[in-house]
Amino acid sequence: DAMVIQNPRYQVTQFGKPVTLSCSQTLNHNVMYWYQQKSSQAPKLLFHYYDKDFNNEADTPDNFQSRRPNTSFCFLDIRSPGLGDAAMYLCATRVVGGTYNEQFFGPGTRLTVL
Amino acid sequence: TQLLEQSPQFLSIQEGENLTVYCNSSSVFSSLQWYRQEPGEGPVLLVTVVTGGEVKKLKRLTFQFGDARKDSSLHITAAQPGDTGLYLCAGAYGNNRLAFGKGNQVVVIP
Repeated sequence: DAMVIQNPRYQVTQFGKPVTLSCSQTLNHNVMYWYQQKSSQAPKLLFHYYDKDFNNEADTPDNFQSRRPNTSFCFLDIRSPGLGDAAMYLCATRVVGGTYNEQFFGPGTRLTVL
Repeated sequence: TQLLEQSPQFLSIQEGENLTVYCNSSSVFSSLQWYRQEPGEGPVLLVTVVTGGEVKKLKRLTFQFGDARKDSSLHITAAQPGDTGLYLCAGAYGNNRLAFGKGNQVVVIP
């Protein structure tokens, strides 16, 4: 089945220790997104790729970086995680020309910062 | 900033009861989506509404888009425990972006 896959599902890191979260998709969608979702909060868009074009949200901290080496894969790098970065990180995809900006989400990675 | 307010934030009902939750904004959206998210999982798309006044049904779930395309409601008939989850509404804006509400947490008690 075509899908969005996130690895790992659970990640524990130490304060200040770099961490990378990965997302892959078999949907062949042009657009890939990274969201941060904290408890009882709405998902917050960090950035997205339209093909190879990177689009950063104005309020995304510099501590968050992303790479998209090919259509299928996208990575979220947190250079120096702080306690406030503990959250669920969601990857989503969308096909350009698809219906009304519908996005398809992966299962998420729960990040714990010790 | 596109802001979507969802109410009530939390709702607990008995199996078989009906419920309605709301998503409101001061902004006009070209389309609005409803997602359901279960604990520890990503949101799953339920429906997209596009036209003002549009009503869509998904089994026991009825979604309505306001005439002015600023608000939406979700009505569940004869709720089942499997309907338990966080219902998120999201409005499309700009290029490729969705603005999300905080969600309606629904708990259906068997």
